[in-house]
Amino acid sequence: GAGVSQSPSNKVTEKGKDVELRCDPISGHTALYWYRQSLGQGLEFLIYFQGNSAPDKSGLPSDRFSAERTGGSVSTLTIQRTQQEDSAVYLCASSPLGGGTQYFGPGTRLLVL
Amino acid sequence: AQSVTQLDSQVPVFEEAPVELRCNYSSSVSVYLFWYVQYPNQGLQLLLKYLSGSTLVKGINGFEAEFNKSQTSFHLRKPSVHISDTAEYFCAVKGAGGTSYGKLTFGQGTILTVHP
Repeated sequence: GAGVSQSPSNKVTEKGKDVELRCDPISGHTALYWYRQSLGQGLEFLIYFQGNSAPDKSGLPSDRFSAERTGGSVSTLTIQRTQQEDSAVYLCASSPLGGGTQYFGPGTRLLVL
Repeated sequence: AQSVTQLDSQVPVFEEAPVELRCNYSSSVSVYLFWYVQYPNQGLQLLLKYLSGSTLVKGINGFEAEFNKSQTSFHLRKPSVHISDTAEYFCAVKGAGGTSYGKLTFGQGTILTVHP
């Protein structure tokens, strides 16, 4: 079956612009996670959704970062007023009811100039 | 809270040689443990996981890992590596309490390079 998909695969933007990153989880998966992978910080958790609610958003680095999930499916991560330190690969993962294994998408590579 | 330490940032090895990638974790609660592999410009792929039961866990591509609770370790091993095993490997931990949902905490990664 189809895995987790993310779009765009690559995004180049100018400092100060807003960006939206999209994640389509595996069909039927109730939990959805966003992580960030950067050279200096490794793999960091950002936010976790259970259905459409976010019980854990402790990893969002600033109020410029927000995320939503609609219909218990697609999620969008929005970064406002991007900064150069936001440059990273943003990974999305989903897991089925009952938790356990997280399945990852290919990531969105964001470059802020 | 949990933390993970991967003891080697890079491991070079010759083809058909055995390899061990080391992972230690810290946690105040019981944990689930995972190894993921990342090939260049790709997402993370699950190699194997320990949730409970037997401490020796077998995964895909001939990899295995052993959970050692007393040493808080979860080292990854393969008896004979191939060129195609060249990738970055991540050890990850998640608290086993509650619903078993929740974030993964990753180590810094180990780059395995297999030479011909």
